[in-house]
Amino acid sequence: GENVEQHPSTLSVQEGDSAVIKCTYSDSASNYFPWYKQELGKRPQLIIDIRSNVGEKKDQRIAVTLNKTAKHFSLHITETQPEDSAVYFCAASSSNTGKLIFGQGTTLQVKP
Amino acid sequence: DAGITQSPRHKVTETGTPVTLRCHQTENHRYMYWYRQDPGHGLRLIHYSYGVKDTDKGEVSDGYSVSRSKTEDFLLTLESATSSQTSVYFCATEPGQGSNIQYFGAGTRLSVL
Repeated sequence: GENVEQHPSTLSVQEGDSAVIKCTYSDSASNYFPWYKQELGKRPQLIIDIRSNVGEKKDQRIAVTLNKTAKHFSLHITETQPEDSAVYFCAASSSNTGKLIFGQGTTLQVKP
Repeated sequence: DAGITQSPRHKVTETGTPVTLRCHQTENHRYMYWYRQDPGHGLRLIHYSYGVKDTDKGEVSDGYSVSRSKTEDFLLTLESATSSQTSVYFCATEPGQGSNIQYFGAGTRLSVL
């Protein structure tokens, strides 16, 4: 079945720096790749997603890139702010199953 | 938050007792999911539903059962709770009809002593 690996597990950056989180997936039929942000004690919330027919998508300070050949996708956050501190999850969904498989999560700490 | 309500929000129970968690949605979303969240494991799918009375197993379904008798309600039952089922449980819904976006409830923190 599908497996999603996420790295790093923790990431600490200075405010204003960029942060990059990477995920790899195993199922070549995967065609939908969302990213969720979860603040402490809160529910996961979608921040950006990308489909397999697109290589890159950007929304203000957040961007996601997808390399279908290598089966990996990445989240890029520029000009980080303390409120970006949270746990970030990547996920992949196969058109065959429709189920989301999540990565293990990355705890991002942005130091003021 | 897609009108998703989980109840209870917190529960402490003893090993061997049955527990039922409820997920209620007001958005008429077709798909509903139950996940558990544990440190180092992310979100793992327990069971999911494609419609009323249409459910299937996820990757960690042992010890859990579900029921969906109405579009708006998806129940997760731990038949005989064990300490390994101590976790935070999230319900999620997905509209279907081409949208893959999943919306999460606020979660239920379950402690099995």
